[in-house]
Amino acid sequence: EADIYQTPRYLVIGTGKKITLECSQTMGHDKMYWYQQDPGMELHLIHYSYGVNSTEKGDLSSESTVSRIRTEHFPLTLESARPSHTSQYLCASSGPLDTDTQYFGPGTRLTVL
Amino acid sequence: GIQVEQSPPDLILQEGANSTLRCNFSDSVNNLQWFHQNPWGQLINLFYIPSGTKQNGRLSATTVATERYSLLYISSSQTTDSGVYFCAVAYSGNTPLVFGKGTRLSVIA
Repeated sequence: EADIYQTPRYLVIGTGKKITLECSQTMGHDKMYWYQQDPGMELHLIHYSYGVNSTEKGDLSSESTVSRIRTEHFPLTLESARPSHTSQYLCASSGPLDTDTQYFGPGTRLTVL
Repeated sequence: GIQVEQSPPDLILQEGANSTLRCNFSDSVNNLQWFHQNPWGQLINLFYIPSGTKQNGRLSATTVATERYSLLYISSSQTTDSGVYFCAVAYSGNTPLVFGKGTRLSVIA
């Protein structure tokens, strides 16, 4: 089974606060991803990385930023949280080959008041 | 970009019934994966299947790459099969997966 972790699992925060959602994996995967999803709805790719010091924006316009300083760690930061950021954030990773399956973390459910 | 369409959008089954979920995609792909999202939000990878047929217990999948579709079969459904099933594709190793909108399955006891 895949080892990919996200913290916190739940977060309730006020408007204007800066937050960082953590994602770590112990599989040595080069590729990591952040998705935003309202429960049971479409997944929207917001950021991805194919290796250290490499990050790209996804399809969904997002006010968040990411960094990839270490292979195993891919945090996502919101500089100023707003109610429109309320959603579930899912982190995923996969290996370097085309044949590598993608594994998801348990998600962070964010509520901005 | 590549388009992914899943059908049906919603499906309700009696426990023990069989079902077929479909995924159509608009371009050639070298990566196709099926995922199940349980009612608690966890996404689990079911199959990596850019072509051919695979089986895992009561689940099986077939991808006909030349005709740009994939099918996920669920036999003898159980209540634990409930959730949303997503198909995702990519046309190269350097592009992220593109997800369909999913099929929401409810299995009733």
